[in-house]
Amino acid sequence: DTEVTQTPKHLVMGMTNKKSLKCEQHMGHRAMYWYKQKAKKPPELMFVYSYEKLSINESVPSRFSPECPNSSLLNLHLHALQPEDSALYLCASSHRDFYLVEQYFGPGTRLTVT
Amino acid sequence: GDSVTQMEGPVTLSEEAFLTINCTYTATGYPSLFWYVQYPGEGLQLLLKATKADDKGSNKGFEATYRKETTSFHLEKGSVQVSDSAVYFCALRNYGGSQGNLIFGKGTKLSVKP
Repeated sequence: DTEVTQTPKHLVMGMTNKKSLKCEQHMGHRAMYWYKQKAKKPPELMFVYSYEKLSINESVPSRFSPECPNSSLLNLHLHALQPEDSALYLCASSHRDFYLVEQYFGPGTRLTVT
Repeated sequence: GDSVTQMEGPVTLSEEAFLTINCTYTATGYPSLFWYVQYPGEGLQLLLKATKADDKGSNKGFEATYRKETTSFHLEKGSVQVSDSAVYFCALRNYGGSQGNLIFGKGTKLSVKP
């Protein structure tokens, strides 16, 4: 089973709201990732967690706050977002954070900021 | 820095036609190479991968061979179906380069007509 699940599937939020995206995998993977994908563009890496520790933050604004409570779960907390943050947010996982190892993606959360 | 270049789309084919989507890369050393597919409204699915020169990745009738001498990883399928309509992303991941992140091409949209 190579399934990564994400909730919610769709989210509409105002610029003053606080919301969270959730990602879960039960494949025993120890690396998890958040990507942002704008329409007709490839995904862009936001954060990497390796063994539940944040290892890469690609200069993402502080209104995005990741959290990895355990090895199966990854959250992305959202606060005071801007309309330009509207995008598809993809979670991915891999056995470990290493270049030979493939990443498996979830279905994404489509976020609209109004 | 490392980069991936894909052929511009969209590509429109008739059912049962032969498919080639060109992908070339620029990277030092020996990166791992991947093809991902994204169906409308969904996340990315790993289609195939190759981790060393002359490796052939294959899955669901799709094939790609890691050609170090031409720095290429072209995707091919002998007979496409309407259900293959999607966006295809070529990607690489390199040891030490770009912090080992997945680097995507811009994507090629494929439309298959019945």
